[in-house]
Amino acid sequence: DGGITQSPKYLFRKEGQNVTLSCEQNLNHDAMYWYRQDPGQGLRLIYYSQIVNDFQKGDIAEGYSVSREKKESFPLTVTSAQKNPTAFYLCASSTAYEQYFGPGTRLTVT
Amino acid sequence: AQTVTQSQPEMSVQEAETVTLSCTYDTSENNYYLFWYKQPPSRQMILVIRQEAYKQQNATENRFSVNFQKAAKSFSLKISDSQLGDTAMYFCACTNSNYQLIWGAGTKLIIKP
Repeated sequence: DGGITQSPKYLFRKEGQNVTLSCEQNLNHDAMYWYRQDPGQGLRLIYYSQIVNDFQKGDIAEGYSVSREKKESFPLTVTSAQKNPTAFYLCASSTAYEQYFGPGTRLTVT
Repeated sequence: AQTVTQSQPEMSVQEAETVTLSCTYDTSENNYYLFWYKQPPSRQMILVIRQEAYKQQNATENRFSVNFQKAAKSFSLKISDSQLGDTAMYFCACTNSNYQLIWGAGTKLIIKP
């Protein structure tokens, strides 16, 4: 089955710890994206990558970091510098213009 | 800057009724794409329908259709014969010059039995 996987579904961390969210796709898409969604709000772009070994900041990149060493994988690290990391995180991949989404990871930091 | 506006934060209709969700957008691009995504309580984001701006014909997908008014920059979604499973957040989105998506804030749709 082709698709996008994100793991884990729920993640709990203590304040001050870095945490890495996984995103894998087997759709052979070149572009991948990370979004943050807060309750009752739309999606905000954190980072995106259009090719391997290259990525760009989105609208809310502060406190986050990414890597794109393989076409299939685009992990997101939420660092201790992110002031309000508790949120729902969605990963997507795309052809030229149509984005497909993973199931998301709910991160709770206490 | 490009914006997408969904003016209805929440709507509710009876099962089997028809409902229309509104979306307006602002872009200076000539070529762009418009999308409606559905996010049910599971929070999985699902593509509902896509419209290419260069096409005059409105897109349809089974019970879902759009009313695309390019001059007015309006892109509404019509759901016919609504079902309980249509209960979800619905997001309108538009591509920018880099084919990234600009998102609306969403409309919460509740289908009542």
